[in-house]
This record gives sequence, structure tokens and C-alpha cells, in this order.
Amino acid sequence: GAVVSQHPSRVICKSGTSVKIECRSLDFQATTMFWYRQFPKQSLMLMATSNEGSKATYEQGVEKDKFLINHASLTLSTLTVTSAHPEDSSFYICSASPTARGYTFGSGTRLTVV
Amino acid sequence: EDQVTQSPEALRLQEGESSSLNCSYTVSGLRGLFWYRQDPGKGPEFLFTLYSAGEEKEKERLKATLTKKESFLHITAPKPEDSATYLCAVQINQAGTALIFGKGTTLSVSS
Repeated sequence: GAVVSQHPSRVICKSGTSVKIECRSLDFQATTMFWYRQFPKQSLMLMATSNEGSKATYEQGVEKDKFLINHASLTLSTLTVTSAHPEDSSFYICSASPTARGYTFGSGTRLTVV
Repeated sequence: EDQVTQSPEALRLQEGESSSLNCSYTVSGLRGLFWYRQDPGKGPEFLFTLYSAGEEKEKERLKATLTKKESFLHITAPKPEDSATYLCAVQINQAGTALIFGKGTTLSVSS
């Protein structure tokens, strides 16, 4: 089946530094990837839609200069949290759609900013 | 505004005690309704997709049903390993658009 690999699974960083999260489609080409954020006991909230070779589309209220998304190839999308602060601590999950109606998710990244 | 609401937020069952989780939705142009299981610290794991009212799908102790306004996830004779958060999500309008998720129901099954 379609697999999405996400790394790292956990990261702790100091306030003010940047963190990069990678999401790879292992056995299919993903022209579109989705980035979600999940706070404890909350729903997955869509942050942005990443399109290969073009600029990402951000949801309302998501700072595009803080959450940099790069989708340079059909198998890799990255999310960089720039100048991270404690309020950015969350669980970040990527997703891709290998078929018109199917979605597969990465295993998630727990970001803790101290 | 497109909305997905799941109830209850949390559910505690004894092993073997069957129950149902609810997902109600108010969306424009439903293309599909998805059920996922999420374990703590993990990404969602796919369970079912339902496309039209009246459709039902089963997998082991789980059965998902769909009406025009809601979906149910029935759990028959649950086991402790069924403990997880169950997420409902909808795909609307166009193919390839992001899913809209409910907040989930956290199920705890004790032996």
C-alpha cells in the first residue's frame, strides 16, 4: 500500500531556532501533500496544501513566513518552522493522496519548543 | 461552513460491551466520508471510506454506516486493543482536496 514516511518523529528545539520536518512518499508520486497540526485532544487542523513545483496554499490564520513549505520533488515535501516559539509546540502530520479518493498519513512529528 | 462533529468525546467500555460512535456532518458536496484510528503519538491509520447513503463496510469488530447526515462506527465485542482515538473526516467537492476532520472519539476498553 501507499506509504508516507515522516521524519523526525520527535524534536526538541530552543526558542528562536528553526526546525525542518520531512515527508516522503515511498512508493507513489505525490503532486500534492497536506500539512496538518494537532493540539492535544483537538482535531487535525489543515495548515497548508503543498503542490510540487509551485507555492503552497496556506489556510487562513497560518503564517506563511513562519511555516515554510517546500515541495521540490514528487516524493518530498518539507515543513520548516522558523524562529520557533513555545506556542508552536504541537503534533505535525503530513498526508498525501495516492488516488483520487484515498489518503495516507505520515506518522507525525512531535515538536517541543523550550 | 463545512463542519464535522463527533460524539461522544470519550467512551469507556468493558471488554465485550458493544457500542457506537457518531459522526454528524454539515458539508457541501460530500465526496466521501473516512474513518481513521489514531494511537497516541501516531498518525491516523485508515479504516473505511463510505461514499453514499446506505453504504456499509466491515472490518473485524468494526462496522461503518452512512446516512445523508451522519455516519456511525459500530464496535462489536470490543477488546482492550481497540482502545484508540477514532477520527471521522470528510472529503468535499473536488478530488484531491484536504480532508476535514472531527475532533475524534477516544475509546477506552478495559478487561
